Amino acid sequence: AQSVTQPDIHITVSEGASLELRCNYSYGATPYLFWYVQSPGQGLQLLLKYFSGDTLVQGIKGFEAEFKRSQSSFNLRKPSVHWSDAAEYFCAVGASTNAGKSTFGDGTTLTVKP
Amino acid sequence: GAVVSQHPSWVICKSGTSVKIECRSLDFQATTMFWYRQFPKQSLMLMATSNEGSKATYEQGVEKDKFLINHASLTLSTLTVTSAHPEDSSFYICSLTGTYEQYFGPGTRLTVT
Repeated sequence: AQSVTQPDIHITVSEGASLELRCNYSYGATPYLFWYVQSPGQGLQLLLKYFSGDTLVQGIKGFEAEFKRSQSSFNLRKPSVHWSDAAEYFCAVGASTNAGKSTFGDGTTLTVKP
Repeated sequence: GAVVSQHPSWVICKSGTSVKIECRSLDFQATTMFWYRQFPKQSLMLMATSNEGSKATYEQGVEKDKFLINHASLTLSTLTVTSAHPEDSSFYICSLTGTYEQYFGPGTRLTVT
């Protein structure tokens, strides 16, 4: 069965600092990986996705993620965090291009200090 | 991408009553929609897969008689929480799947008093 682990429940960074959110997955075949962001009381917005090809994926809002098969990881990064990035971030792994059956991690809450 | 709406965005109901939540695809014909449940500070849990014109597929542990799903058209799926109890209070989110990604509705917060 597929699973996702986000080791960090809560991360606090200063505005302008760099950010890395960790994600580890377990899946028996080639994974389809996603990062989503959720603002309070809102639905989820896709930041980026990885299916194949270049292991460094660029997303919206200046985010990127790197797929490392050897480490079963798909960590999300941003070089300079903005106050508006404060939100909940979810990593998800899907079984196929039909993302509806994705399994979500427990999420990481990002707080941005001024 | 597809635009998904949900109505209502927030509902309070009394214990024992039923509540219907609508999920609409505004610009995409969705043969399949998904219903998720999210408790505070927790992740999304898939409840069921809604199939247009046929019965929904429920995940293990989800009571199909309590969470009634109807997908009568390619743009509308409804989730009815029957005989709601306080433990049903949660954030319910629907989504539909495009070719390579999911599109999520804004969610409906249900509070059962």
